[in-house]
Amino acid sequence: DQQVKQNSPSLSVQEGRISILNCDYTNSMFDYFLWYKKYPAEGPTFLISISSIKDKNEDGRFTVFLNKSAKHLSLHIVPSQPGDSAVYFCAASARLTGGGNKLTFGTGTQLKVEL
Amino acid sequence: GAGVSQTPSNKVTEKGKYVELRCDPISGHTALYWYRQSLGQGPEFLIYFQGTGAADDSGLPNDRFFAVRPEGSVSTLKIQRTERGDSAVYLCASSLTGLAGGSGELFFGEGSRLTVL
Repeated sequence: DQQVKQNSPSLSVQEGRISILNCDYTNSMFDYFLWYKKYPAEGPTFLISISSIKDKNEDGRFTVFLNKSAKHLSLHIVPSQPGDSAVYFCAASARLTGGGNKLTFGTGTQLKVEL
Repeated sequence: GAGVSQTPSNKVTEKGKYVELRCDPISGHTALYWYRQSLGQGPEFLIYFQGTGAADDSGLPNDRFFAVRPEGSVSTLKIQRTERGDSAVYLCASSLTGLAGGSGELFFGEGSRLTVL
């Protein structure tokens, strides 16, 4: 049972346009949602997060929107650049015993930004 | 470097063999995590250490998998009697924990790619 779903395995966007990556989740107990970016042969790199009590968080070209009633979040990248081409993972955070955080990841969306 | 370091980067072994994967977290990070990423999937949680102790090992798939962190820094993931289904990228991550309002951001290493023939 996948608790975090990314239904689009790939997305292709022209340079300068907006990229919108989507994510759905099922567990209402998640307290944070995060986006990670991954290049080939590298580990995932943190991009941006949002608390479950917020509906929007913006950081430069990246904005994450959270719709709790729909259990849906999205990452907007504008303007998209060729260097943004990577796999993007949505992740949801829940507290662990002992103070840590367990991240549950989606399956990723491969973004390709074309010239 | 200042990031999470994992060795080896690649490991090829035969079915039934024993494997150790090492993780050196970011200095000062008390929390350490192991995740496993299979082909076409996102990373899946295996185990979490707070200091030297395994605070949550609920993600370990079976008793062939074990991890230690004896001095609260470097961690070793140990896999006994490897099976072909263990082939995956094993990712280590670390973080500062206990911060109020922390988002759960983890800093990942580049991973150790394990191939079991």
